Amino acid sequence: GESVGLHLPTLSVQEGDNSIINCAYSNSASDYFIWYKQESGKGPQFIIDIRSNMDKRQGQRVTVLLNKTVKHLSLQIAATQPGDSAVYFCAERDNFNKFYFGSGTKLNVKP
Amino acid sequence: ETGVTQTPRHLVMGMTNKKSLKCEQHLGHNAMYWYKQSAKKPLELMFVYNFKEQTENNSVPSRFSPECPNSSHLFLHLHTLQPEDSALYLCASSQDLVEGIYEQYFGPGTRLTVT
Repeated sequence: GESVGLHLPTLSVQEGDNSIINCAYSNSASDYFIWYKQESGKGPQFIIDIRSNMDKRQGQRVTVLLNKTVKHLSLQIAATQPGDSAVYFCAERDNFNKFYFGSGTKLNVKP
Repeated sequence: ETGVTQTPRHLVMGMTNKKSLKCEQHLGHNAMYWYKQSAKKPLELMFVYNFKEQTENNSVPSRFSPECPNSSHLFLHLHTLQPEDSALYLCASSQDLVEGIYEQYFGPGTRLTVT
């Protein structure tokens, strides 16, 4: 079966520091990946995506890195702000167009 | 605001009750989804509708019954639920299921507690 997991359930960072959230996936045929942010009391919000033919994609203050060799995905947040505090989870799409989601990492930003 | 609304936001129901969750999207999308989110567990896809037709039922128990009267509205009818069904139920929409268009917009969810 599919397995999308996160290395750390919680991550605490100081405001202004960079954050790195990791995700492992198990299906080497997965070709599309998404990072979501979920704030307390809200639904998940799309942050950034990446296709399997790319290694890196940058957005505004966020970068997603894909390492297909070890089936690893990471989300980097530059200059982390208090508003970045949330649960972050990844999702992968397999070769049957089905999405599988990770359980999430809670990011705490300390002022 | 994501353009996807859900009502009610909170629901407490007994195991013998019948209730319905409602989702409405104002984005002109054609695909709509129901997800279940339990504490510390990954999102679980329940149902997918594309152009009002159900395209996926992810082995969901029959005590959950979806209804999609049009592309803007999605319901989840609940009856004889179990306490383990307590969770956050999320609705999402996307433009459609055409290859390459995957971004889903989520509603705030309905927090369901079954007593």
